[in-house]
Amino acid sequence: AQSVTQLDSHVSVSEGTPVLLRCNYSSSYSPSLFWYVQHPNKGLQLLLKYTSAATLVKGINGFEAEFKKSETSFHLTKPSAHMSDAAEYFCVVKENTGFQKLVFGTGTRLLVSP
Amino acid sequence: DGGITQSPKYLFRKEGQNVTLSCEQNLNHDAMYWYRQDPGQGLRLIYYSQIVNDFQKGDIAEGYSVSREKKESFPLTVTSAQKNPTAFYLCASSIAGQNTEAFFGQGTRLTVV
Repeated sequence: AQSVTQLDSHVSVSEGTPVLLRCNYSSSYSPSLFWYVQHPNKGLQLLLKYTSAATLVKGINGFEAEFKKSETSFHLTKPSAHMSDAAEYFCVVKENTGFQKLVFGTGTRLLVSP
Repeated sequence: DGGITQSPKYLFRKEGQNVTLSCEQNLNHDAMYWYRQDPGQGLRLIYYSQIVNDFQKGDIAEGYSVSREKKESFPLTVTSAQKNPTAFYLCASSIAGQNTEAFFGQGTRLTVV
């Protein structure tokens, strides 16, 4: 079975400083990996996805993530945080067999201070 | 505009009542899903459907029921058998396939009063 571990439940940064949200995955097959963002009381919006085409994936709003097979990691980064980045972020792996359901991490809440 | 519409945004249920959450999509997606979100637990899959008139239980299906009579619609009923229904419910849809992402609705917050 595939699984995702988000290593930090909360991350606090100052506006203008780099963001790092960590995600490790477990998968028996070549995985599809996603990062979603959720603002309070809203649905989830796709930030970016990895589908084996390139290990460094660029997403919306300046976010990017690097797939590292040797470390089974898919960390999300942004060079400079903005106040509007404050939200909850979910790392997601998609099963590549059977129904191909999405498996969610428990989320990381990003706090951005002025 | 294409997308997924969930209604209502807020819903209150009395003890012992069944309630139905609506989910409609106009993306022409075959697959649809219902997730439940509780603080600190991520999203947990309740039910999913790959085609019309077919659906499967997810990880936490007890106390819930669904139907898929039309491709566009996947309503979720929270029955009185669900002992702790207060949560945020999210509906999603996707194209069938290995590398395809899911698109989410804006959610329904259900509260038992």
